[in-house]
Amino acid sequence: EAEVAQSPRYKITEKSQAVAFWCDPISGHATLYWYRQILGQGPELLVQFQDESVVDDSQLPKDRFSAERLKGVDSTLKIQPAELGDSAMYLCASSLAGVDTQYFGPGTRLTVL
Amino acid sequence: GENVEQHPSTLSVQEGDSAVIKCTYSDSASNYFPWYKQELGKRPQLIIDIRSNVGEKKDQRIAVTLNKTAKHFSLHITETQPEDSAVYFCAVVSGGSYIPTFGRGTSLIVHP
Repeated sequence: EAEVAQSPRYKITEKSQAVAFWCDPISGHATLYWYRQILGQGPELLVQFQDESVVDDSQLPKDRFSAERLKGVDSTLKIQPAELGDSAMYLCASSLAGVDTQYFGPGTRLTVL
Repeated sequence: GENVEQHPSTLSVQEGDSAVIKCTYSDSASNYFPWYKQELGKRPQLIIDIRSNVGEKKDQRIAVTLNKTAKHFSLHITETQPEDSAVYFCAVVSGGSYIPTFGRGTSLIVHP
């Protein structure tokens, strides 16, 4: 069964450093999502792509976060500089279209020291 | 934007009892309502979903009901088992923007 891939699974960094996360969606899925999940809360949408275009990034802190999906396939989420409050699980998900089932990747657990 | 409220935040039941989790939403244009189960340290996984043209959907011990007029939908789990223990999230997807909004989650604990 096809799955969403993410790397790295864990990342420890010091504040003010740059970090990058990678996501490879299920083949053929046009919609890709990046979420941030703080322990004990639901996933918070950071950015949503339809193919290579951004559908929504209203909750993305654009002064430090950036996301791209250049060829409409895999995607990278970057944080520069990282802050203590960025410690969280970063989840990637994909779906065939916007109102279809989302399939989540295993996530990247970020710890900022 | 969409506002999704999920209750209760914690639900403790005895094995074999039923569990009900409710979500309310604000955007009348929302038309897709999935439920996800997340076990500790694992990714959220879809357990059931419903679209706005249907009032109820059932899959074995799990069912979801939707009341579009009142803007709420509920997850029903019957004959609960210890392996049902997890955090459950509802989500709402707007038919106009296709942007998903998640509830804050319900921690379900099933005692053997």
